[in-house]
Amino acid sequence: EAGVTQFPSHSVIEKGQTVTLRCDPISGHDNLYWYRRVMGKEIKFLLHFVKESKQDESGMPNNRFLAERTGGTYSTLKVQPAELEDSGVYFCASSHSRTEAFFGQGTRLTVV
Amino acid sequence: AQSVTQLDSHVSVSEGTPVLLRCNYSSSYSPSLFWYVQHPNKGLQLLLKYTSAATLVKGINGFEAEFKKSETSFHLTKPSAHMSDAAEYFCVVSDPPNTGNQFYFGTGTSLTVIP
Repeated sequence: EAGVTQFPSHSVIEKGQTVTLRCDPISGHDNLYWYRRVMGKEIKFLLHFVKESKQDESGMPNNRFLAERTGGTYSTLKVQPAELEDSGVYFCASSHSRTEAFFGQGTRLTVV
Repeated sequence: AQSVTQLDSHVSVSEGTPVLLRCNYSSSYSPSLFWYVQHPNKGLQLLLKYTSAATLVKGINGFEAEFKKSETSFHLTKPSAHMSDAAEYFCVVSDPPNTGNQFYFGTGTSLTVIP
């Protein structure tokens, strides 16, 4: 069984540019989560999808971040325009039973 | 509110000696608790989880953790460290229990294993 896959693994962009991160969850997992770790701090929740619906987006930092999950399969997280403080590692996770989450390897975003 | 405190940001042990990574939590509910490990350039891997069954939980690679409600702790232990255990470890509490809406992470403990 394939795990959670994230693309790209690394991204370096200039301030003001747009970046789109992609997450492919484990097939059949209705729950999909985005998390972020900034500057070696704790990993923080961004949002939670159940199928294509946003169940909880209380962790989204501001309106420069847009997450979608069309068709309830893969998800994208777009940052537009990117700022320096958006640098960090973005993790995606999926779960079926909501008692355990399976994480991807993360996307390391660097905004310069 | 739920929160997790990992008491040590860095732990160093010699190969073959015991490992203890400490975690304390606060939760308004009977929590679900997890330990995840992240090796360099890898994703977060589940080591073990507690979901209100046995208080002593055994995980992969010889790790185990004991849920102590009176101490609000969920410390991770291993009798004998191996070089391959060098990684970053995260203690996580789920809120509310078994719904998985949010996983609250500790700040992580970096484990170094000295040959």
